[in-house]
Amino acid sequence: AQSVTQPDIHITVSEGASLELRCNYSYGATPYLFWYVQSPGQGLQLLLKYFSGDTLVQGIKGFEAEFKRSQSSFNLRKPSVHWSDAAEYFCAVGDPQAAGNKLTFGGGTRVLVKP
Amino acid sequence: GAVVSQHPSRVICKSGTSVKIECRSLDFQATTMFWYRQFPKQSLMLMATSNEGSKATYEQGVEKDKFLINHASLTLSTLTVTSAHPEDSSFYICSVEGGWTEAFFGQGTRLTVV
Repeated sequence: AQSVTQPDIHITVSEGASLELRCNYSYGATPYLFWYVQSPGQGLQLLLKYFSGDTLVQGIKGFEAEFKRSQSSFNLRKPSVHWSDAAEYFCAVGDPQAAGNKLTFGGGTRVLVKP
Repeated sequence: GAVVSQHPSRVICKSGTSVKIECRSLDFQATTMFWYRQFPKQSLMLMATSNEGSKATYEQGVEKDKFLINHASLTLSTLTVTSAHPEDSSFYICSVEGGWTEAFFGQGTRLTVV
């Protein structure tokens, strides 16, 4: 069974500083990879996704993520954080072999932005 | 992308009563929807896969008689928490399968059982 680990439960970053959120997965092959953001009390919004091809993926709101097969990682980055980026971030994987796009989520990383 | 609407966004109910949560796909015909549960400060856990016109498929450990799912049309799936207890208090989120391009999520429903 696939699994997803987000090692950092909380990250605090100053506004304007760079941000990197870690995500490691366990899966027999290359899964489909996703990053979602959740604002307090809200649903999830897709930031970006990776299926195949170029391992550096650009997303919305200035985010990007890099797939590294050798490290089984899909870390999310943003060069300069804005106060509105304070939220919970979830990494998720999907099984390309499975019927339907059920997702397995990591535990989430809560990002706090200091002024 | 698809617009998914969940209702209600918040509900408080008494222990022992039942609560129905609706998930509507407003502009997309959804043969498959998913129901997730999120405990405070935790991740989302898949509860069940809702299939239009057939029985839902429940994940291991999820009581199908407690969490009744009905997917009677291509635009509506409902989750009914029966005989709710305080431990059922949680954030419930549905998503619509739009193919592997994206899963579209509802806004979520916060259930509090008192």
